[in-house]
Amino acid sequence: RKEVEQDPGPFNVPEGATVAFNCTYSNSASQSFFWYRQDCRKEPKLLMSVYSSGNEDGRFTAQLNRASQYISLLIRDSKLSDSATYLCVVNNQAGTALIFGKGTTLSVSS
Amino acid sequence: DAGITQSPRHKVTETGTPVTLRCHQTENHRYMYWYRQDPGHGLRLIHYSYGVKDTDKGEVSDGYSVSRSKTEDFLLTLESATSSQTSVYFCAISFGERFSPLHFGNGTRLTVT
Repeated sequence: RKEVEQDPGPFNVPEGATVAFNCTYSNSASQSFFWYRQDCRKEPKLLMSVYSSGNEDGRFTAQLNRASQYISLLIRDSKLSDSATYLCVVNNQAGTALIFGKGTTLSVSS
Repeated sequence: DAGITQSPRHKVTETGTPVTLRCHQTENHRYMYWYRQDPGHGLRLIHYSYGVKDTDKGEVSDGYSVSRSKTEDFLLTLESATSSQTSVYFCAISFGERFSPLHFGNGTRLTVT
């Protein structure tokens, strides 16, 4: 099982839609979880951290399920500007660094 | 602006030549990282540093070496570039401890012909 796995998509949704991404991880001892956003030909940028109790930032909600070893990102009321690739990030099994999923591509259309 | 500068931004080089990429930070953050990003593989860790002269290997370190002689600079060297090292290289720093979120530089697009 890969350390971090994501559905690559693409997810094609209309403006205003709600969309959810899941990410599974293999290291049951992982302690750090993040979602990043990456626009085409740009560097990844931190979208939000993921906390055990779940957390929300405007239209974005992140949740962690430790028992099933997955994290999720929910985007409500999608905007055209949300079109990007979303990367799931957890600390690796060796405990040395952060590992990135391959990303899920979202395309929001008008 | 995370205060990270990568140079060069673009480089084309020939197989077998040495190449050094530079990552410079304007603050004294301890942890610095080099990743490469390729279609179908995502971001993969090459090497990282946890202080001056303290470095360690990531998952794809073969063919790469690093040096950190000053806190602010982390250099990635391809001793003898190969076409398989054509990629986009990102430097990242952690503002806090090891598993704090990473902040990335703008990337270096390297083409090995």
